[in-house]
Amino acid sequence: TQLLEQSPQFLSIQEGENLTVYCNSSSVFSSLQWYRQEPGEGPVLLVTVVTGGEVKKLKRLTFQFGDARKDSSLHITAAQPGDTGLYLCAGLIQGAQTLVFGQGTRLTINP
Amino acid sequence: NAGVTQTPKFQVLKTGQSMTLQCAQDMNHNSMYWYRQDPGMGLRLIYYSASEGTTDKGEVPNGYNVSRLNKREFSLRLESAAPSQTSVYFCASSRSRGDTYGYTFGSGTRLTVV
Repeated sequence: TQLLEQSPQFLSIQEGENLTVYCNSSSVFSSLQWYRQEPGEGPVLLVTVVTGGEVKKLKRLTFQFGDARKDSSLHITAAQPGDTGLYLCAGLIQGAQTLVFGQGTRLTINP
Repeated sequence: NAGVTQTPKFQVLKTGQSMTLQCAQDMNHNSMYWYRQDPGMGLRLIYYSASEGTTDKGEVPNGYNVSRLNKREFSLRLESAAPSQTSVYFCASSRSRGDTYGYTFGSGTRLTVV
């Protein structure tokens, strides 16, 4: 059973379109992080959210933490081919010592 | 460049062989981790070391052992490799366990067991 469910698992869209990736759980998280991974490399941290309802922006990427701290979303505006990659959410469950990862969303942006 | 260094990058083993994956970080982080990544399953924690001198099992520890050699180095050993251990292995570090500043990952070791 996956503690963090990401959807969709695969997404292929055209350059310029908008998209949203979701990360959901029945558990409450102390914090939630989003990583991006390129082929042959390890995941790289994009953002950490810690407060329910928190919204963070990173250029064309907008990250939101749910009010109840059980879910998060990543929205990309005007996607570009350089956004292609595997996006992973990861959360620290309250009282736990290590991050748990979602299964990832493989995003392909076609020129 | 500062970060997490893993060796080797690629390895092919025969069933039953043993090997050690090496990991070193130069960020003075206290906590280190070993994950495996398989298609459709995200990253699964094998073992972690919250601080120098301590190690704990993660979600999938069977068939693996670890050593926290010092604050910088954390190795993963496969005593008798099995085809089910074919995977990409990532080492990561953080300032402390559950660090909200996130984990820094190495570039991975792609292991194939035949």
